Amino acid sequence: DADVTQTPRNRITKTGKRIMLECSQTKGHDRMYWYRQDPGLGLQLIYYSFDVKDINKGEISDGYSVSRQAQAKFSLSLESAIPNQTALYFCATSDFGTGGDTEAFFGQGTRLTVV
Amino acid sequence: GIQVEQSPPDLILQEGANSTLRCNFSDSVNNLQWFHQNPWGQLINLFYIPSGTKQNGRLSATTVATERYSLLYISSSQTTDSGVYFCAVRRLTGGGNKLTFGTGTQLKVEL
Repeated sequence: DADVTQTPRNRITKTGKRIMLECSQTKGHDRMYWYRQDPGLGLQLIYYSFDVKDINKGEISDGYSVSRQAQAKFSLSLESAIPNQTALYFCATSDFGTGGDTEAFFGQGTRLTVV
Repeated sequence: GIQVEQSPPDLILQEGANSTLRCNFSDSVNNLQWFHQNPWGQLINLFYIPSGTKQNGRLSATTVATERYSLLYISSSQTTDSGVYFCAVRRLTGGGNKLTFGTGTQLKVEL
């Protein structure tokens, strides 16, 4: 089984609908992240969480919200989906060491299409 | 913010050829990773290499942090190496704790 699991893997939704993407991890890491990838581009950070009581906005948080239900679970919500939120979404985890964040591990991705 | 530039943007190789991908970054970093994104979109960790040299099979990577660049070497390329290769860095200070990704190198390996 994957260390970082995202559900669903693919989703088509209509404009204006609320949708939740879920992420769970078995790596025991405290730090979790949500990224978005648009076609032909690199990844951009949406939100990140250092522990269950710590949530931080990334560079493109508008239109998104998150919930850290437990150390192992971090969900991303689109309250009212719009077509330009069509993208590939990734969840990631990392640990924290003496030099800062350690290696990041990514889930398989969720391909979201808003029509 | 930190700038991450990858070159070349596109590369076509014959199976068995060798290649070098480059990642330049504009500020001091404490984290650098190389990823392979396969045609199904999955991001596969290749190297966690803030500095120094590492090797894993046909792949190796070198980061010279003081000169702000990293190189990924692919030897004896195979068709399964096709996909996009991303370099990602985390800024040493003031980076908002994010990994900043380059725009990638699109690699196609042909028979």
